Amino acid sequence: SQKIEQNSEALNIQEGKTATLTCNYTNYSPAYLQWYRQDPGRGPVFLLLIRENEKEKRKERLKVTFDTTLKQSLFHITASQPADSATYLCAVESTLTFGKGTMLLVSP
Amino acid sequence: GAGVSQSPSNKVTEKGKDVELRCDPISGHTALYWYRQSLGQGLEFLIYFQGNSAPDKSGLPSDRFSAERTGGSVSTLTIQRTQQEDSAVYLCASDKWGQEFQETQYFGPGTRLLVL
Repeated sequence: SQKIEQNSEALNIQEGKTATLTCNYTNYSPAYLQWYRQDPGRGPVFLLLIRENEKEKRKERLKVTFDTTLKQSLFHITASQPADSATYLCAVESTLTFGKGTMLLVSP
Repeated sequence: GAGVSQSPSNKVTEKGKDVELRCDPISGHTALYWYRQSLGQGLEFLIYFQGNSAPDKSGLPSDRFSAERTGGSVSTLTIQRTQQEDSAVYLCASDKWGQEFQETQYFGPGTRLLVL
């Protein structure tokens, strides 16, 4: 079965910098991969989906890449803001195998 | 429109009691999912309903867990003889499609279950 690995350590960055979060999968390349944001006490909220034939996807300040050779997806937030502070989850497959998420803390 | 709703938002129960958790998906969404999220852990898939197909129960951790979906809409997750390790946030999600056409899932706020 697929296993998703995300950095368990929180990522602390200064406002205005670019945050980069990593998602690695261990088995076969999924047909698509999704990124979600989760705030404390709330359910995850969908951000971006990228398919295996797409190298990169953008949405406003967000960018996701998908490297099937490295079995990795990178999630970037440019010009980060304190409001971007949350836990970001990576997920694959139809029943969504999730990583444990990486907490992002953006300091003013 | 209305999103996915779940009830109750919080539930405290005693070990050994049964609990029922409810999920109202977004109207028109054919697929419904239940997940469990323990403190500091990722989301754990429990069960998946798609239209009239037999549910995918592969994620249910034991036979104390069951779920049903009536009329292709509302779903109830039942945990019998609750144990302390069942304490977690139970999240429900729905989406328009299933299988190869699946796109984003919409999550409810979750039910926080505490078993004493």
